[in-house]
Amino acid sequence: NAGVTQTPKFQVLKTGQSMTLQCAQDMNHNSMYWYRQDPGMGLRLIYYSASEGTTDKGEVPNGYNVSRLNKREFSLRLESAAPSQTSVYFCASSGDGTTYNEQFFGPGTRLTVL
Amino acid sequence: SQQGEEDPQALSIQEGENATMNCSYKTSINNLQWYRQNSGRGLVHLILIRSNEREKHSGRLRVTLDTSKKSSSLLITASRAADTASYFCATDQNTGRRALTFGSGTRLQVQP
Repeated sequence: NAGVTQTPKFQVLKTGQSMTLQCAQDMNHNSMYWYRQDPGMGLRLIYYSASEGTTDKGEVPNGYNVSRLNKREFSLRLESAAPSQTSVYFCASSGDGTTYNEQFFGPGTRLTVL
Repeated sequence: SQQGEEDPQALSIQEGENATMNCSYKTSINNLQWYRQNSGRGLVHLILIRSNEREKHSGRLRVTLDTSKKSSSLLITASRAADTASYFCATDQNTGRRALTFGSGTRLQVQP
């Protein structure tokens, strides 16, 4: 099993450009999450999806949109990138089969907005 | 604001010593979890302690939870250079929402 995969690993954008970060999990988990991590800080929740077909805002949703395409895939879109969105983005998943909501993380996407 | 705040922010010890890091939080929780992050990598789940538990062990890890003080500690015994990483606590709050709130982390450096 690959676990949680994310693409791309690195991306450089200019202010105003758009892009979609892709995430997929092969653990049959119901819940998926997008976090951002700024230097020297913990993770902040952007959006999450408790199950296929549902999405909810987290702590820092402004400037982002998400799509839960199916049970496996959860994408994060930046419609008009800003320098404040320079960060490392992590996708995670958890399932009913995991005890008490342990989360499994992807390797991250390092995004720089110039 | 972060629910969990770790203390200290950074810790440097020698191999073989014990490392203790603390986490404080503000609201009632279902459980508290500790994660490890190696530089440039994703987070890896280490251990979970439920709100009705006071202490839990896993290998060289020992976690305690004091819900009256809203605090937890992670002890790594007989540390190794490979334990060098950042450690984060995360709380599963009593909101019904299946999402964790992470602290800002403790950077642990174990000198060989």
